[in-house]
Amino acid sequence: AQSVAQPEDQVNVAEGNPLTVKCTYSVSGNPYLFWYVQYPNRGLQFLLKYITGDNLVKGSYGFEAEFNKSQTSFHLKKPSALVSDSALYFCAVRDGADTGNQFYFGTGTSLTVIP
Amino acid sequence: KAGVTQTPRYLIKTRGQQVTLSCSPISGHRSVSWYQQTPGQGLQFLFEYFSETQRNKGNFPGRFSGRQFSNSRSEMNVSTLELGDSALYLCASSPKLAGSSTDTQYFGPGTRLTVL
Repeated sequence: AQSVAQPEDQVNVAEGNPLTVKCTYSVSGNPYLFWYVQYPNRGLQFLLKYITGDNLVKGSYGFEAEFNKSQTSFHLKKPSALVSDSALYFCAVRDGADTGNQFYFGTGTSLTVIP
Repeated sequence: KAGVTQTPRYLIKTRGQQVTLSCSPISGHRSVSWYQQTPGQGLQFLFEYFSETQRNKGNFPGRFSGRQFSNSRSEMNVSTLELGDSALYLCASSPKLAGSSTDTQYFGPGTRLTVL
């Protein structure tokens, strides 16, 4: 069964420091991986996705994510955190089989960037 | 291009009532998916519609139903509301069937449903 885990409910980081939000996945086929961000009272906004190719994916707002097949991980990173990055982050996975499977989302990680 | 729109944004109902939520996808998108978001459960997939047909369904009771119209707009209906149905209901659209392509899903702002 497809699933994704975000092991940290809450991540705190000082402004200007690098940030990492962790995600691990489990799929039966090739993984398609996504990161979304949600600001208060808003829907989810797409940040980046990994489909195939380079393991380092660059996305919106300076975020990037590294796909690691051996560790089944897809951690979200940013070299220098901003206070405005404070939000709820969701990792999502879908396998690559053409079976019509839906997206599976993690439970979310709340990121707080401390000024 | 206009984004995904959802109406209403906020809704208050009482137990036993029914409710209908509406979602208009991005122009040209044919797939609409619905999710329930609660603090404890995160995002739970409800169902996906493509070309007016339900293509995928999550693990929710039959009180939750939906439909899609020929213009790709979708509605979700919840009958006999329970307190536990209080949640943010999110709609997402993508150009093709979300589960069979590499397309991204684009989310609307959600409808906040409160059941009293």
